[in-house]
Amino acid sequence: GAGVSQSPSNKVTEKGKDVELRCDPISGHTALYWYRQSLGQGLEFLIYFQGNSAPDKSGLPSDRFSAERTGGSVSTLTIQRTQQEDSAVYLCASSSIWGQGYNEQFFGPGTRLTVL
Amino acid sequence: KNEVEQSPQNLTAQEGEFITINCSYSVGISALHWLQQHPGGGIVSLFMLSSGKKKHGRLIATINIQEKHSSLHITASHPRDSAVYICAVRVFGNEKLTFGTGTRLTIIP
Repeated sequence: GAGVSQSPSNKVTEKGKDVELRCDPISGHTALYWYRQSLGQGLEFLIYFQGNSAPDKSGLPSDRFSAERTGGSVSTLTIQRTQQEDSAVYLCASSSIWGQGYNEQFFGPGTRLTVL
Repeated sequence: KNEVEQSPQNLTAQEGEFITINCSYSVGISALHWLQQHPGGGIVSLFMLSSGKKKHGRLIATINIQEKHSSLHITASHPRDSAVYICAVRVFGNEKLTFGTGTRLTIIP
């Protein structure tokens, strides 16, 4: 079946502009995660959605970052007034749950964001 | 100090060698993940484990909960195994993953 998809695959923008990154999780996966991988650095958590629960936004680096998940499926990560330090690969992942536990996470191909 | 530490950071080996990558963590976890990232490629989940040992093909992952340590082994390594291997933990009471900095593995033919 289809995996996690993300769009666009690459985005180049000018400093100060807003960008929207999209994630389509695997159908039926109720958990959705956004991560960021900056050049030369490791992966860091941004935000997590599970069903209709309030999202865990504890990883968002500033109030310029926000995300929403509509209808429990597609998610959009929005970065307002982009800065050069926002340049990174933004990764989305989804997973299903069983009972009290979560299954492995399936990652999308990522969106490479470059802020000039 | 990072909550998740991996070693080595870089590893170069000859084809056929037995590979071990280590991961230590300092927090209570509900699960540990091993991920693989090829150059320019996406991230693939290799294992999710909370106890014992799992095997998939030439890959073996073990975890010792008491010692807060996990290892990823690759038997009969092959150049296509060249990638960055990332350890990530899911902390108790929190569903997000906390990542190690990764181990860059290069297998020379």
